[in-house]
Amino acid sequence: NAGVTQTPKFQVLKTGQSMTLQCAQDMNHNSMYWYRQDPGMGLRLIYYSASEGTTDKGEVPNGYNVSRLNKREFSLRLESAAPSQTSVYFCASLEREGGSSTDTQYFGPGTRLTVL
Amino acid sequence: SQQGEEDPQALSIQEGENATMNCSYKTSINNLQWYRQNSGRGLVHLILIRSNEREKHSGRLRVTLDTSKKSSSLLITASRAADTASYFCATGLFSGGYNKLIFGAGTRLAVHP
Repeated sequence: NAGVTQTPKFQVLKTGQSMTLQCAQDMNHNSMYWYRQDPGMGLRLIYYSASEGTTDKGEVPNGYNVSRLNKREFSLRLESAAPSQTSVYFCASLEREGGSSTDTQYFGPGTRLTVL
Repeated sequence: SQQGEEDPQALSIQEGENATMNCSYKTSINNLQWYRQNSGRGLVHLILIRSNEREKHSGRLRVTLDTSKKSSSLLITASRAADTASYFCATGLFSGGYNKLIFGAGTRLAVHP
């Protein structure tokens, strides 16, 4: 199993350009997440998808859109990139042991995005 | 403000010593998890402790949880250079209609040979 994969690994954009970050998982998990990580901070949730066909906003959704294409894939789109979106982006999927008290997330390797 | 806050922000020790990191949080939780992040990599899940548990072990890791003080600690015994990484606590809770993980800013651990 590859786990959670993300493409691209690195990207440089100019202000106003658009791009889509891709994420896929092969663990048959229902829930998937997009986070951003900024220096000196923990991860902040951008969007999540509790199941195929559903998406919801997280803590910092402004400037982003998402698509849950199927159970495996969850993409993040920046329609008009801004320098404030320079960050490292992580995708994660959720394994649950049963019940809400046990939730382990599996993370992809990240995409380093710089917006000039 | 952050739900989980780690202390210290940075820790530097010699190989063989123990490393202790602390995490405090603000609200009721379902569980608390610790993750490791090597430089330039994604996060790797280390251990999960449920809100009704007080202590948990996994190899050289020992996690404690004190829900009355809303705090947790991660102890790494007999540290190795390969333990050099950032360590994040994450509180698991159900809020706003979904299961959330809220991360702290992390502790950067450096283990010197």
